[in-house]
Amino acid sequence: DAGITQSPRHKVTETGTPVTLRCHQTENHRYMYWYRQDPGHGLRLIHYSYGVKDTDKGEVSDGYSVSRSKTEDFLLTLESATSSQTSVYFCAISELGQDYGYTFGSGTRLTVV
Amino acid sequence: KNEVEQSPQNLTAQEGEFITINCSYSVGISALHWLQQHPGGGIVSLFMLSSGKKKHGRLIATINIQEKHSSLHITASHPRDSAVYICAGNPHGGSQGNLIFGKGTKLSVKP
Repeated sequence: DAGITQSPRHKVTETGTPVTLRCHQTENHRYMYWYRQDPGHGLRLIHYSYGVKDTDKGEVSDGYSVSRSKTEDFLLTLESATSSQTSVYFCAISELGQDYGYTFGSGTRLTVV
Repeated sequence: KNEVEQSPQNLTAQEGEFITINCSYSVGISALHWLQQHPGGGIVSLFMLSSGKKKHGRLIATINIQEKHSSLHITASHPRDSAVYICAGNPHGGSQGNLIFGKGTKLSVKP
């Protein structure tokens, strides 16, 4: 079983609608992250969490909010989706002291039309 | 200017060749990561290193802290190694997870 799952895998939504992406982990890792990946930009950090109810902004946080009410779930919400938020979104987890770095989810391809 | 630069951007090799992908960074980092992204899109963490050298199967990663440079080597390359390889650094004083990513090296290994 994958230690980290994202849902949905694909989504098409209309401009102005709210969208929530879910990241679920079974590894009990403290840290969870949301990245977006766009051509020419590589991966960029949107928000991250360092514990339940503890979150902070990343490089490209405008237009996004997050919540973490349980260790295993990290939600990313686009309050009012815009075409510039069309992207592939990756969730990742990590834990201090782990030697292997980060574990990434399979990604969510979001298209805002 | 990107703080993490990779070279080459694209690389085509014949099966069996020895491959080197380079990563240079301009900021102080506490650790450097090598990631692999297959055409299907999934990202796998290959290595995390802060000094020296690590080996896993046919993959070898090295880092030179003084020169701010890391290399990823693939020995006896195979078509299944075809992927985008991404290096990323944890900057000193940065928040956990605020990795600075290179833009990736697209590797294609021909049979």
